[in-house]
Amino acid sequence: ETGVTQTPRHLVMGMTNKKSLKCEQHLGHNAMYWYKQSAKKPLELMFVYNFKEQTENNSVPSRFSPECPNSSHLFLHLHTLQPEDSALYLCASSQDAGETQYFGPGTRLLVL
Amino acid sequence: TQLLEQSPQFLSIQEGENLTVYCNSSSVFSSLQWYRQEPGEGPVLLVTVVTGGEVKKLKRLTFQFGDARKDSSLHITAAQTGDTGLYLCAGVVRPGTASKLTFGTGTRLQVTL
Repeated sequence: ETGVTQTPRHLVMGMTNKKSLKCEQHLGHNAMYWYKQSAKKPLELMFVYNFKEQTENNSVPSRFSPECPNSSHLFLHLHTLQPEDSALYLCASSQDAGETQYFGPGTRLLVL
Repeated sequence: TQLLEQSPQFLSIQEGENLTVYCNSSSVFSSLQWYRQEPGEGPVLLVTVVTGGEVKKLKRLTFQFGDARKDSSLHITAAQTGDTGLYLCAGVVRPGTASKLTFGTGTRLQVTL
């Protein structure tokens, strides 16, 4: 059982669609993360938020737009994605941006 | 850029067998984590090794951090079907900073009856 939830669990979208992924953590942590997990590639860190402020953006294309309204919620807004963006998007949280992270179950995204 | 190579990439064994998964890098890490990810779920942290040469045991799983803190291994004794999953190692470059985690390429383990 995890204290980090993600919705939706599965998403299929066309390249012209706009959709959002949602993450919520119930662990009282103050740092949240978005990762991308593609087949045959290591987990890639996309964004880091600490106390609602974005502290890291790992050269992610602007078609991915994160939003962190508070320490418990994290969104990833998607717009005009490409088929190569199809992947498992994982959210994680930690206390004080420490290295012990707790991951959500992920959103499996397919871009057609 | 720190890279972590895991081997083997895939492993299919029968229940009761032993196995070892390796995680290697040319970089030094302050600590190293091991995760297991089951289908349809996110990675779950199994253990963190901190000191060079450290050995930690978690039931049938034995984790070792290399003396030079560049590599690690995970040994599973008498594997069970419940051990099936993707095993990931992750190196911590800077203590207390999750944003500096480098994940390995993963080892997919399947244990059959």
